Amino acid sequence: DSGVTQTPKHLITATGQRVTLRCSPRSGDLSVYWYQQSLDQGLQFLIQYYNGEERAKGNILERFSAQQFPDLHSELNLSSLELGDSALYFCASSASLGEQFFGPGTRLTVL
Amino acid sequence: SQQGEEDPQALSIQEGENATMNCSYKTSINNLQWYRQNSGRGLVHLILIRSNEREKHSGRLRVTLDTSKKSSSLLITASRAADTASYFCAVRGYNKLIFGAGTRLAVHP
Repeated sequence: DSGVTQTPKHLITATGQRVTLRCSPRSGDLSVYWYQQSLDQGLQFLIQYYNGEERAKGNILERFSAQQFPDLHSELNLSSLELGDSALYFCASSASLGEQFFGPGTRLTVL
Repeated sequence: SQQGEEDPQALSIQEGENATMNCSYKTSINNLQWYRQNSGRGLVHLILIRSNEREKHSGRLRVTLDTSKKSSSLLITASRAADTASYFCAVRGYNKLIFGAGTRLAVHP
């Protein structure tokens, strides 16, 4: 158990819909990272937050947004969903530039 | 891109054999990390090697780093069926950890 929790575990929705994925980092970790893992694209870094502020951006679509709240939990919002957005979405947290601790992931299926 | 790229893409061995996976990257790095992922699960950190280190050991794992060649290798000795997983290298640049496509390791009893 990494100490990072993600909800929900599975999400099935239709194209055009909007969903919110939630992540709680390990106790004391200020950084939260979001990743998307699909079969054809591998593990893609989306965005990082540090203590409530956006710190780095990766291959995140404009239809996606994220935020980190004062209690350090983070949410990833995916809107106008497309079939191609079906993937595993991972959250990770870290205390420094070292190792990242990954949550179990949310499997999103867009039908 | 400073993405790490693993080689081979897939590796199939017998229990007890050693498994070697390689990773190449393109730009200067702060550190390089190896992660393991069991099918459909979250990634688990295995080992981190800093840019000023050349070799590191952790149990049955041995990682080397050659910054002149921009490459790293992960050696798993005396492999077990439970080592079956995907292994990813990840390079740390500024504020980002960029993952390679991974090596799928299958260890047969």
